[in-house]
Amino acid sequence: DAGITQSPRHKVTETGTPVTLRCHQTENHRYMYWYRQDPGHGLRLIHYSYGVKDTDKGEVSDGYSVSRSKTEDFLLTLESATSSQTSVYFCAISVQSTGELFFGEGSRLTVL
Amino acid sequence: QQQVKQSPQSLIVQKGGISIINCAYENTAFDYFPWYQQFPGKGPALLIAIRPDVSEKKEGRFTISFNKSAKQFSLHIMDSQPGDSATYFCAASLNSGYSTLTFGKGTMLLVSP
Repeated sequence: DAGITQSPRHKVTETGTPVTLRCHQTENHRYMYWYRQDPGHGLRLIHYSYGVKDTDKGEVSDGYSVSRSKTEDFLLTLESATSSQTSVYFCAISVQSTGELFFGEGSRLTVL
Repeated sequence: QQQVKQSPQSLIVQKGGISIINCAYENTAFDYFPWYQQFPGKGPALLIAIRPDVSEKKEGRFTISFNKSAKQFSLHIMDSQPGDSATYFCAASLNSGYSTLTFGKGTMLLVSP
């Protein structure tokens, strides 16, 4: 357990509404990531952060934005949710000494 | 462009058998190759990883075989157990793991009792 908490764990929303997912870590890791997991697609990187206010895009960043105003919190925002964003979202941190990723338990988002 | 191709998509193995999952990569600059295991409702967790300076790494019943010239690596699970039933992801990255990981699409393993 790398002290990662995701919230909410489950959310159902309607198309066009904004959604924010929160990832909170307790161990002061510099690198944080947001992935989405979909059947047949595996894990795909959305955005990642390498420090406070330092973020970069991943493979599937369109339609998503992120913010990191504190080391411990990494927020993923869907400005206007679409049905194609129905997915399970995982936050992860990496341990710099080993490169290992530790994942949270996931947030299941359904966009109707 | 899919940089890490994983096969098979799903696998059924009898208890006690050997499970084999294969991955192929395209970027010759990749130098860190981990395998992650994911149980239903949980996040993936690191199972075992290898760097290209060795051709094989073993941890208990789990072995990674690495073929640099073929740009392939595989996971072998010896004496497979029902508790090994999970989804397995291979991945690859640059800079000894300090760059972002590129994951394969996953293999759903079912070990029948």
